[in-house]
Amino acid sequence: NAGVTQTPKFRVLKTGQSMTLLCAQDMNHEYMYWYRQDPGMGLRLIHYSVGEGTTAKGEVPDGYNVSRLKKQNFLLGLESAAPSQTSVYFCASSENGPIEGDTQYFGPGTRLTVL
Amino acid sequence: KQEVTQIPAALSVPEGENLVLNCSFTDSAIYNLQWFRQDPGKGLTSLLLIQSSQREQTSGRLNASLDKSSGRSTLYIAASQPGDSATYLCAVRPTSGGGADGLTFGKGTHLIIQP
Repeated sequence: NAGVTQTPKFRVLKTGQSMTLLCAQDMNHEYMYWYRQDPGMGLRLIHYSVGEGTTAKGEVPDGYNVSRLKKQNFLLGLESAAPSQTSVYFCASSENGPIEGDTQYFGPGTRLTVL
Repeated sequence: KQEVTQIPAALSVPEGENLVLNCSFTDSAIYNLQWFRQDPGKGLTSLLLIQSSQREQTSGRLNASLDKSSGRSTLYIAASQPGDSATYLCAVRPTSGGGADGLTFGKGTHLIIQP
């Protein structure tokens, strides 16, 4: 099992460019999440999905869009990148969602720089 | 709004010492608490998950406790080794918002074990 994988690992964009980050999981998990990690701050939830075809906003959703067309994939899009979106982006998945024993598994991250 | 605080922010100790990392959270309405390890430039590795109905969990040299009523958790590392050097993150899963809103993270404790 590869677990949770993310593509690409690194990316540099210019302000106003667009891009899509891909997250894939092979654990047949229902729930998937996108977080961002910034220096001096904890990870913050951007968007999440509770199953194929569903998406919902997290704590910091502005400037991002997501799609979950297939159960194993969760895409994060930046339509017009801004320097404030420079960050490390982590994808996570979990099997059961909001129950006591549910563990989230994280991907290796994508380091994005917006110039 | 749930807030998670980790103390200390950084810690440097000689090899072989036993040490305690602290995590506190403001709202006791949680499904679980998870401790993660993050190595520089890497993703998050789940170390221990404590369900809200549990008091502690153990894995090898690691022991995590949870006092939900007081909003505190500790991660105990026995006989520390240089390979334990990493940033340790604490995260809770709130029951508010249906619980599918993901995890709320602390900023982490940066741990250095001196050989």
